Amino acid sequence: QSVLTQPPSVSAAPGQKVTISCSGSSSNIGANYVSWYQQLPGTAPKLLIYDNNERPSGIPDRFSGSKSGTSATLGITGLQTGDEADYYCVTWDSSLGAVVFGGGTKLTVL
Amino acid sequence: QLQLQESGPGLVRPSETLSLTCTVSGGSISSTNYYWDWFRQPPGKGLEWVGSIYYSGSTYYTPSLKSRLTISVDTSKNQFSLKLSSVTAADTAVYYCARHAPSVAIDYWGQGALVTVSS
Repeated sequence: QSVLTQPPSVSAAPGQKVTISCSGSSSNIGANYVSWYQQLPGTAPKLLIYDNNERPSGIPDRFSGSKSGTSATLGITGLQTGDEADYYCVTWDSSLGAVVFGGGTKLTVL
Repeated sequence: QLQLQESGPGLVRPSETLSLTCTVSGGSISSTNYYWDWFRQPPGKGLEWVGSIYYSGSTYYTPSLKSRLTISVDTSKNQFSLKLSSVTAADTAVYYCARHAPSVAIDYWGQGALVTVSS
């Protein structure tokens, strides 16, 4: 069981918007930065969002991140079939002294 | 452009030690403010942090593996390594090496290495 809670799956049509939630506690999301990763089938994860809402160079502004209290959200607009992947939230847990992950959310673009 | 590459046996017998090395190219493993990581992903499952090391040798291990885990760094070879002892089938996974900044922004990943524990 993952320390951070994500919905197992989300889906939306091409061109639409989707949000993926990540719920934690005061010792992880509530106290530390959150990052988000995209994992296409058979490949290594790729950094999409860091420091809650910052995008690395090369990541389109269709991807956005936000954090409020002990929850974080990844938003994806203008969905494309190439966005079909697993998405993970990650942060540090100050009580556990560990990097913690969400269980992952599978995005289907219908 | 920084690149990380995992290497090591793809098959390990139960009760033996799993050993992997990550070679860093295109940058120095002695860069300040960056940590060098091992993650793993069992087949069909989510990602799990295994542990991290700083170039100075300071280590950080996931609690559930701490008794079996050793992560070390060789700055002269620009490499860091993982050793996991007394493995079982539950340790079968794709193992990734990676780098992260203090905010746990994991910005570079290796391609991953599948390690199967089986007799």
